Amino acid sequence: SQQGEEDPQALSIQEGENATMNCSYKTSINNLQWYRQNSGRGLVHLILIRSNEREKHSGRLRVTLDTSKKSSSLLITASRAADTASYFCATVESGGSNYKLTFGKGTLLTVNP
Amino acid sequence: DAGVTQSPTHLIKTRGQQVTLRCSPISGHKSVSWYQQVLGQGPQFIFQYYEKEERGRGNFPDRFSARQFPNYSSELNVNALLLGDSALYLCASSAGLSYGYTFGSGTRLTVV
Repeated sequence: SQQGEEDPQALSIQEGENATMNCSYKTSINNLQWYRQNSGRGLVHLILIRSNEREKHSGRLRVTLDTSKKSSSLLITASRAADTASYFCATVESGGSNYKLTFGKGTLLTVNP
Repeated sequence: DAGVTQSPTHLIKTRGQQVTLRCSPISGHKSVSWYQQVLGQGPQFIFQYYEKEERGRGNFPDRFSARQFPNYSSELNVNALLLGDSALYLCASSAGLSYGYTFGSGTRLTVV
């Protein structure tokens, strides 16, 4: 079953604008990760944020985590046409014997040139 | 360095047949996981193996099985294929809990 939901399901913006995607989840987590997927192929790991972290940056990406609200957001600044893809958040539950990823349904981002 | 490699890239099978998908993790990664992704959905966890032992199994029927070999490569087997098994099957490897996963490009399975 899906862990949570990304919001919005689809987002269309112009090049140079910022894109914000949100993710909600249901259980206590060890960490939360964001992935990008182009055209239904393999996923690319973007960033991992641990449950004791509140914000993390990587290049044009900024991720926040609010464990009290069980939510996270991914901000892509100064977007480019090449950022067009589906973006998924995935959580690793705390206390488990494995570290499987539980994904949301994703946000389809379209960046128009 | 080679990433996670999966074979084949595409596969067409008939209902009732059996299929084997293969995955080679990144060198040094001892954990391999399998995911199923149907169109329009996020990937769903099928199996995780670590050091050749099953560490987790998702909510999939017993028709799905997997194993990990001494070189850490892995196979996913699906028996008695159903139309609903049509999906992109993704393999991922990881260096550990504090690291993200590296995914292969997937095997697109079509059951007709």
